[in-house]
Amino acid sequence: GIQVEQSPPDLILQEGANSTLRCNFSDSVNNLQWFHQNPWGQLINLFYIPSGTKQNGRLSATTVATERYSLLYISSSQTTDSGVYFCAGASNFGNEKLTFGTGTRLTIIP
Amino acid sequence: KAGVTQTPRYLIKTRGQQVTLSCSPISGHRSVSWYQQTPGQGLQFLFEYFSETQRNKGNFPGRFSGRQFSNSRSEMNVSTLELGDSALYLCASSSAGTSGGPSYEQYFGPGTRLTVT
Repeated sequence: GIQVEQSPPDLILQEGANSTLRCNFSDSVNNLQWFHQNPWGQLINLFYIPSGTKQNGRLSATTVATERYSLLYISSSQTTDSGVYFCAGASNFGNEKLTFGTGTRLTIIP
Repeated sequence: KAGVTQTPRYLIKTRGQQVTLSCSPISGHRSVSWYQQTPGQGLQFLFEYFSETQRNKGNFPGRFSGRQFSNSRSEMNVSTLELGDSALYLCASSSAGTSGGPSYEQYFGPGTRLTVT
């Protein structure tokens, strides 16, 4: 199956700062999703982005499928952005199985 | 549209017991997947069900099983619980159809946190 690597593992920023989270995957993917895990454990869908660029408010994501990476941008960070961000991918050979990265723990300091 | 729901939210069991977790997918979704999250292993795929049939399976022992009902609701069962089964169990649903395939967005429920003592 595919391997998914996320960087950095931890990120501590001041409120108002911008951040970039990266996800590298080992093979072509037909599904690439970004999630934010809230303090209670639920995975909140941020983006479904197997290719291209999407924006949603202060968040945007870009996936360059040919180079096998995806980036999540968070602008003007707020304390509510704190938490763990996961990317997950799936290839044709894995059917619906999502393979998750190990996550980036983001801490926003007021 | 209501999201994915899971019950119970929290559970404490003793080693050797068995447990059943329940998941109701988003209305209209027929594919249901289960994942286990632990601090040591991260998020790992357990299995996926579609039309009451297990379509994909992860690398977990036979103590982990599941089923899906005609209304797409799914249950997973863990028998002979071990301490290492303590985890957050997440259920996801998608609109994947008969042909399956990974290119369908998955939506997750709030999870069931299982503690085995």
